[in-house]
Amino acid sequence: DSGVTQTPKHLITATGQRVTLRCSPRSGDLSVYWYQQSLDQGLQFLIQYYNGEERAKGNILERFSAQQFPDLHSELNLSSLELGDSALYFCASSVGGGSSYEQYFGPGTRLTVT
Amino acid sequence: AQSVTQLGSHVSVSEGALVLLRCNYSSSVPPYLFWYVQYPNQGLQLLLKYTSAATLVKGINGFEAEFKKSETSFHLTKPSAHMSDAAEYFCAVSAFGNEKLTFGTGTRLTIIP
Repeated sequence: DSGVTQTPKHLITATGQRVTLRCSPRSGDLSVYWYQQSLDQGLQFLIQYYNGEERAKGNILERFSAQQFPDLHSELNLSSLELGDSALYFCASSVGGGSSYEQYFGPGTRLTVT
Repeated sequence: AQSVTQLGSHVSVSEGALVLLRCNYSSSVPPYLFWYVQYPNQGLQLLLKYTSAATLVKGINGFEAEFKKSETSFHLTKPSAHMSDAAEYFCAVSAFGNEKLTFGTGTRLTIIP
């Protein structure tokens, strides 16, 4: 158990819908990262927040957005869902914002868009 | 920009044999390198990391990796494979000023009894 929690574990929804994925980082960790894992794209970085502020952006679609709240939990919002958005979404956290800090991953949310 | 290449999407070894999973990196600045393991239907677990201290890094579950700058490699090894090592292994790189992890495509390790 990494200490990072993600809810829900599974999500099945229809095309065009909107969903929210939630992540609680390890106690004391200030950085939260979101990654997408799919068969065709592999593991890809989406976005990073550090202590409530957006820190870095990766290959995140405009239909996707995220935020980190004052209690440091984070939410990833996916809207106008398409079949291709079906994937495993991971949240990771690290104690600081530096590159040398290890990232601890949650168990993931498996999103299925039908 | 950083990238990693994992040679061999599938590797099979006999129980008790040496495990060698290959990772080559590309980075314009000194890299930080990581190996993660993913068991079926689970998240990623950190095995070990290299952050410019010792070039030979020891991790959990008997795994170790050696950073070789001249070869731009960070191969993962374990002297004796165990059935519980069967999983997917990912090499990842980050760098100073670029904290995101860039992952390789993964290597699925199968252990033959």
